[in-house]
Amino acid sequence: GAGVSQSPRYKVAKRGQDVALRCDPISGHVSLFWYQQALGQGPEFLTYFQNEAQLDKSGLPSDRFFAERPEGSVSTLKIQRTQQEDSAVYLCASSLIAGGSTDTQYFGPGTRLTVL
Amino acid sequence: AQSVTQLDSHVSVSEGTPVLLRCNYSSSYSPSLFWYVQHPNKGLQLLLKYTSAATLVKGINGFEAEFKKSETSFHLTKPSAHMSDAAEYFCVVSRSSASGGSYIPTFGRGTSLIVHP
Repeated sequence: GAGVSQSPRYKVAKRGQDVALRCDPISGHVSLFWYQQALGQGPEFLTYFQNEAQLDKSGLPSDRFFAERPEGSVSTLKIQRTQQEDSAVYLCASSLIAGGSTDTQYFGPGTRLTVL
Repeated sequence: AQSVTQLDSHVSVSEGTPVLLRCNYSSSYSPSLFWYVQHPNKGLQLLLKYTSAATLVKGINGFEAEFKKSETSFHLTKPSAHMSDAAEYFCVVSRSSASGGSYIPTFGRGTSLIVHP
């Protein structure tokens, strides 16, 4: 069945370049989360959408990070002027309902970003 | 504030022997707790979750976990390891969003399960 998909799967950027990472959630899922997973670490929350509304962006590490979900389905995470410390796997997850404490999240395979 | 601590970065077992992956949490209210598994080059998958019902939770692939409030623990166990269980395992606690209106998962650092033939 169709799960959460992310593209590209791998991205190499030169320091200072802008990148855009795409997430296609499961159709009909209301909630969408972005996470950053550094090597050897657990995923860390970046931002959360409920439909098209970005309800929490407290995890975004700097104003170089920007996320949108304009029509309440596909989401894009944009990183401007990439730095080496941005190198990580970026995970997207969706859930059926609106961010409840017991929600099951369905994760995509991630985009591995390497900044040279 | 909520946090989760996975006590072992690596656990090594032989195939057919029991598995124990340890997790302790802290939470300012009754937590929801999860275990996710991450196989190489695959997305995170939910193994099981505790949602304030039965304290012993059964999940997929023979895994189970017991919520112990007095010990603030949610250890993951399996009676007999299989080679296919080799993966990274994450313990997760839900915390309320800083902006309100939603719950944000907080992940532990992960435990790598190694299964020897």
